[in-house]
Amino acid sequence: GQQLNQSPQSMFIQEGEDVSMNCTSSSIFNTWLWYKQDPGEGPVLLIALYKAGELTSNGRLTAQFGITRKDSFLNISASIPSDVGIYFCAGLGQGAQKLVFGQGTRLTINP
Amino acid sequence: DAGVIQSPRHEVTEMGQEVTLRCKPISGHDYLFWYRQTMMRGLELLIYFNNNVPIDDSGMPEDRFSAKMPNASFSTLKIQPSEPRDSAVYFCASSLGSRGETQYFGPGTRLLVL
Repeated sequence: GQQLNQSPQSMFIQEGEDVSMNCTSSSIFNTWLWYKQDPGEGPVLLIALYKAGELTSNGRLTAQFGITRKDSFLNISASIPSDVGIYFCAGLGQGAQKLVFGQGTRLTINP
Repeated sequence: DAGVIQSPRHEVTEMGQEVTLRCKPISGHDYLFWYRQTMMRGLELLIYFNNNVPIDDSGMPEDRFSAKMPNASFSTLKIQPSEPRDSAVYFCASSLGSRGETQYFGPGTRLLVL
């Protein structure tokens, strides 16, 4: 089945630093999604991408749909303490109705 | 607006007992998804419904797991008998249409089977 490789698995950064994470797939996806999960809560949708090459921002977050349609990137600028959590990528393949999730990137911020 | 509601939020039970997890989707949503999250396997889709009908249950681990959706506003996930390896966080999500971008997650039920 389809799988997503998300990296890095964890990040330890200083407050104010920029963050980059990515997801890659061996197959083509038509939709890429980025979620954030806070401790004890369910994932919350941050950004949705629908077209190859698309670049979308949500505040300090920017995500891109790779032109090969097999990867996506999420950047967080000027990190703040509330950015701490686990970030998941998810993809929807051609003709699929089920999301495939990456393993998550755990972000820790040192004040 | 009330989001997806799940109950209980926490459940501790003993091996062999029946466990029932409940979900109320967002009103008007026609898709409902049950996920399981563990450290080892991440987020796994167990089953999903469209208009109360199960569409794909290929993610259900084994016959001990069953899910129902008797109406548009309620779904259950039952484990009988429960085993320690079922310990996980179980999420319910709902969406309007099958496009993943509209999928909203509940807060989850944290299950511990002793």
